[in-house]
Amino acid sequence: DQQVKQNSPSLSVQEGRISILNCDYTNSMFDYFLWYKKYPAEGPTFLISISSIKDKNEDGRFTVFLNKSAKHLSLHIVPSQPGDSAVYFCAASWNSGNTPLVFGKGTRLSVIA
Amino acid sequence: DTGVSQNPRHKITKRGQNVTFRCDPISEHNRLYWYRQTLGQGPEFLTYFQNEAQLEKSRLLSDRFSAERPKGSFSTLEIQRTEQGDSAMYLCASKGPSYNSPLHFGNGTRLTVT
Repeated sequence: DQQVKQNSPSLSVQEGRISILNCDYTNSMFDYFLWYKKYPAEGPTFLISISSIKDKNEDGRFTVFLNKSAKHLSLHIVPSQPGDSAVYFCAASWNSGNTPLVFGKGTRLSVIA
Repeated sequence: DTGVSQNPRHKITKRGQNVTFRCDPISEHNRLYWYRQTLGQGPEFLTYFQNEAQLEKSRLLSDRFSAERPKGSFSTLEIQRTEQGDSAMYLCASKGPSYNSPLHFGNGTRLTVT
Protein backbone atom coordinates (compact mmCIF):
# COMPACT_ATOMS: atom_id res chain seq x y z
CA ASP A 1 0.00 0.00 0.00
CA GLN A 2 1.74 3.11 -1.29
CA GLN A 3 1.11 5.89 1.24
CA VAL A 4 3.05 8.49 -0.77
CA LYS A 5 2.47 8.55 -4.51
CA GLN A 6 4.31 10.32 -7.26
CA ASN A 7 2.30 9.42 -10.33
CA SER A 8 4.59 10.97 -12.93
CA PRO A 9 7.75 8.90 -13.40
CA SER A 10 9.33 11.61 -15.54
CA LEU A 11 9.02 15.24 -16.56
CA SER A 12 10.82 17.32 -19.19
CA VAL A 13 10.97 21.10 -18.98
CA GLN A 14 12.73 23.79 -20.96
CA GLU A 15 15.44 25.77 -19.19
CA GLY A 16 14.04 28.96 -17.66
CA ARG A 17 10.49 27.63 -17.42
CA ILE A 18 8.65 26.39 -14.33
CA SER A 19 8.92 22.76 -13.21
CA ILE A 20 5.98 21.42 -11.20
CA LEU A 21 6.37 18.08 -9.47
CA ASN A 22 3.35 16.54 -7.79
CA CYS A 23 2.84 14.22 -4.84
CA ASP A 24 -0.27 12.68 -3.28
CA TYR A 25 -0.57 10.96 0.07
CA THR A 26 -3.18 8.73 1.62
CA ASN A 27 -2.33 8.77 5.33
CA SER A 28 -4.15 11.67 7.02
CA MET A 29 -1.79 11.39 10.00
CA PHE A 30 1.10 12.80 7.95
CA ASP A 31 1.92 16.30 9.18
CA TYR A 32 5.42 16.94 7.88
CA PHE A 33 6.49 16.76 4.25
CA LEU A 34 9.84 17.01 2.52
CA TRP A 35 11.32 17.02 -0.95
CA TYR A 36 14.66 15.41 -1.73
CA LYS A 37 16.75 15.54 -4.89
CA LYS A 38 18.94 12.66 -5.99
CA TYR A 39 21.75 12.60 -8.55
CA PRO A 40 23.08 9.26 -9.86
CA ALA A 41 25.52 7.50 -7.51
CA GLU A 42 24.74 9.92 -4.67
CA GLY A 43 22.39 9.79 -1.72
CA PRO A 44 19.24 11.93 -1.62
CA THR A 45 19.81 15.57 -0.69
CA PHE A 46 17.26 17.56 1.31
CA LEU A 47 15.65 20.41 -0.63
CA ILE A 48 12.72 21.90 1.25
CA SER A 49 10.09 20.92 3.81
CA ILE A 50 6.67 22.03 4.97
CA SER A 51 4.66 21.46 8.12
CA SER A 52 0.93 20.81 7.92
CA ILE A 53 0.25 24.09 9.73
CA LYS A 54 1.39 25.93 6.59
CA ASP A 55 0.22 25.79 3.00
CA LYS A 56 3.33 27.23 1.38
CA ASN A 57 7.05 27.36 2.01
CA GLU A 58 9.58 29.10 -0.19
CA ASP A 59 13.35 28.83 -0.44
CA GLY A 60 14.94 30.64 -3.34
CA ARG A 61 13.84 29.04 -6.59
CA PHE A 62 11.96 26.26 -4.76
CA THR A 63 8.43 26.54 -3.39
CA VAL A 64 6.39 23.75 -1.86
CA PHE A 65 2.59 23.99 -1.72
CA LEU A 66 0.46 21.82 0.54
CA ASN A 67 -3.27 21.19 0.05
CA LYS A 68 -4.35 19.19 3.09
CA SER A 69 -7.96 18.71 2.02
CA ALA A 70 -6.79 17.15 -1.24
CA LYS A 71 -3.86 15.35 0.42
CA HIS A 72 -1.64 16.83 -2.26
CA LEU A 73 1.62 18.69 -2.36
CA SER A 74 3.66 20.11 -5.18
CA LEU A 75 7.17 21.41 -5.69
CA HIS A 76 7.66 24.39 -8.00
CA ILE A 77 11.09 25.21 -9.39
CA VAL A 78 11.36 28.62 -11.04
CA PRO A 79 13.33 29.18 -13.19
CA SER A 80 14.42 25.64 -14.00
CA GLN A 81 18.12 25.13 -14.71
CA PRO A 82 19.96 22.21 -16.34
CA GLY A 83 21.59 21.43 -12.98
CA ASP A 84 18.12 20.71 -11.59
CA SER A 85 17.99 17.54 -13.70
CA ALA A 86 17.71 14.76 -11.12
CA VAL A 87 15.22 12.41 -9.49
CA TYR A 88 12.95 14.17 -6.99
CA PHE A 89 11.43 12.29 -4.07
CA CYS A 90 8.50 13.38 -1.98
CA ALA A 91 8.56 12.15 1.63
CA ALA A 92 6.18 12.36 4.57
CA SER A 93 6.21 11.77 8.28
CA TRP A 94 3.86 12.19 11.24
CA ASN A 95 4.15 13.32 14.84
CA SER A 96 5.85 16.49 13.57
CA GLY A 97 8.66 14.57 11.91
CA ASN A 98 9.26 12.17 14.78
CA THR A 99 8.52 9.04 12.74
CA PRO A 100 10.61 7.57 9.90
CA LEU A 101 10.08 9.19 6.52
CA VAL A 102 7.91 7.41 3.95
CA PHE A 103 9.07 8.11 0.40
CA GLY A 104 7.36 8.16 -2.97
CA LYS A 105 8.87 6.41 -5.99
CA GLY A 106 10.32 9.61 -7.41
CA THR A 107 9.97 11.74 -10.53
CA ARG A 108 12.88 12.13 -12.93
CA LEU A 109 13.14 15.77 -14.01
CA SER A 110 15.04 16.64 -17.17
CA VAL A 111 15.70 20.32 -17.80
CA ILE A 112 16.54 20.88 -21.45
CA ALA A 113 18.81 23.75 -22.40
CA ASP B 1 29.98 18.92 9.13
CA THR B 2 31.71 16.17 7.17
CA GLY B 3 28.48 14.51 6.12
CA VAL B 4 27.30 10.92 6.49
CA SER B 5 29.94 8.42 5.41
CA GLN B 6 29.18 4.87 4.23
CA ASN B 7 31.58 2.05 3.50
CA PRO B 8 32.08 0.23 1.28
CA ARG B 9 30.55 2.06 -1.69
CA HIS B 10 30.10 -1.19 -3.59
CA LYS B 11 29.94 -4.81 -2.52
CA ILE B 12 29.62 -7.87 -4.74
CA THR B 13 29.02 -11.13 -2.97
CA LYS B 14 27.88 -14.64 -3.73
CA ARG B 15 24.55 -15.92 -2.56
CA GLY B 16 24.76 -17.37 0.92
CA GLN B 17 27.64 -15.19 2.09
CA ASN B 18 27.41 -12.67 4.93
CA VAL B 19 28.06 -8.97 4.38
CA THR B 20 28.47 -6.02 6.73
CA PHE B 21 28.14 -2.34 5.94
CA ARG B 22 29.27 0.59 8.05
CA CYS B 23 27.78 4.05 8.49
CA ASP B 24 29.37 7.03 10.23
CA PRO B 25 26.75 9.71 10.88
CA ILE B 26 27.20 13.45 11.28
CA SER B 27 28.85 13.71 14.68
CA GLU B 28 26.23 15.69 16.59
CA HIS B 29 23.27 13.70 15.21
CA ASN B 30 21.67 11.34 17.70
CA ARG B 31 19.33 9.55 15.27
CA LEU B 32 20.57 7.15 12.64
CA TYR B 33 18.43 5.45 9.99
CA TRP B 34 18.91 2.64 7.49
CA TYR B 35 16.94 2.62 4.24
CA ARG B 36 17.02 0.35 1.20
CA GLN B 37 16.41 1.48 -2.36
CA THR B 38 15.82 -0.73 -5.36
CA LEU B 39 15.52 0.29 -9.00
CA GLY B 40 12.49 2.46 -9.71
CA GLN B 41 11.54 2.74 -6.04
CA GLY B 42 12.01 5.35 -3.39
CA PRO B 43 14.02 4.65 -0.25
CA GLU B 44 12.27 2.14 2.03
CA PHE B 45 12.72 2.35 5.78
CA LEU B 46 14.51 -0.54 7.49
CA THR B 47 15.37 0.53 11.02
CA TYR B 48 16.49 3.45 13.16
CA PHE B 49 18.43 4.23 16.30
CA GLN B 50 18.28 7.00 18.82
CA ASN B 51 21.72 7.04 20.34
CA GLU B 52 22.49 3.33 20.90
CA ALA B 53 18.87 2.21 21.23
CA GLN B 54 17.21 0.57 18.23
CA LEU B 55 13.74 2.10 18.38
CA GLU B 56 11.94 0.71 15.36
CA LYS B 57 12.33 -2.06 12.79
CA SER B 58 10.40 -2.38 9.56
CA ARG B 59 8.73 -5.66 8.57
CA LEU B 60 11.17 -5.53 5.62
CA LEU B 61 13.95 -6.33 8.08
CA SER B 62 13.94 -10.12 8.06
CA ASP B 63 15.76 -12.11 10.72
CA ARG B 64 18.75 -12.34 8.38
CA PHE B 65 19.31 -8.63 8.90
CA SER B 66 20.79 -7.15 12.04
CA ALA B 67 21.85 -3.61 12.84
CA GLU B 68 23.85 -2.25 15.71
CA ARG B 69 24.97 1.13 16.92
CA PRO B 70 27.41 0.57 19.76
CA LYS B 71 28.03 3.63 21.93
CA GLY B 72 25.64 5.66 19.81
CA SER B 73 28.26 6.53 17.21
CA PHE B 74 28.76 4.56 13.99
CA SER B 75 26.35 1.82 12.94
CA THR B 76 26.70 -1.50 11.13
CA LEU B 77 24.15 -3.38 9.09
CA GLU B 78 24.80 -7.09 8.62
CA ILE B 79 23.01 -9.37 6.19
CA GLN B 80 23.47 -13.07 6.76
CA ARG B 81 23.02 -15.75 4.09
CA THR B 82 22.50 -13.18 1.37
CA GLU B 83 19.91 -13.79 -1.34
CA GLN B 84 19.66 -12.29 -4.83
CA GLY B 85 16.65 -10.28 -3.65
CA ASP B 86 18.93 -8.45 -1.21
CA SER B 87 20.62 -6.68 -4.14
CA ALA B 88 19.91 -2.99 -3.60
CA MET B 89 21.36 0.32 -2.54
CA TYR B 90 21.58 0.52 1.26
CA LEU B 91 21.34 4.10 2.46
CA CYS B 92 22.22 5.44 5.87
CA ALA B 93 20.94 8.77 7.14
CA SER B 94 21.29 10.77 10.32
CA LYS B 95 19.25 13.47 11.92
CA GLY B 96 19.69 16.04 14.67
CA PRO B 97 17.65 16.11 17.90
CA SER B 98 14.90 18.44 16.62
CA TYR B 99 11.86 16.49 15.43
CA ASN B 100 11.53 18.45 12.22
CA SER B 101 15.18 18.51 11.22
CA PRO B 102 15.68 16.78 7.87
CA LEU B 103 17.46 13.48 7.27
CA HIS B 104 20.96 13.77 5.85
CA PHE B 105 21.84 10.79 3.67
CA GLY B 106 25.14 9.17 2.85
CA ASN B 107 25.97 8.07 -0.70
CA GLY B 108 24.97 4.51 0.02
CA THR B 109 26.44 1.03 -0.35
CA ARG B 110 25.42 -0.79 -3.51
CA LEU B 111 25.10 -4.53 -2.86
CA THR B 112 25.06 -7.02 -5.71
CA VAL B 113 24.37 -10.65 -4.83
CA THR B 114 25.34 -13.08 -7.60
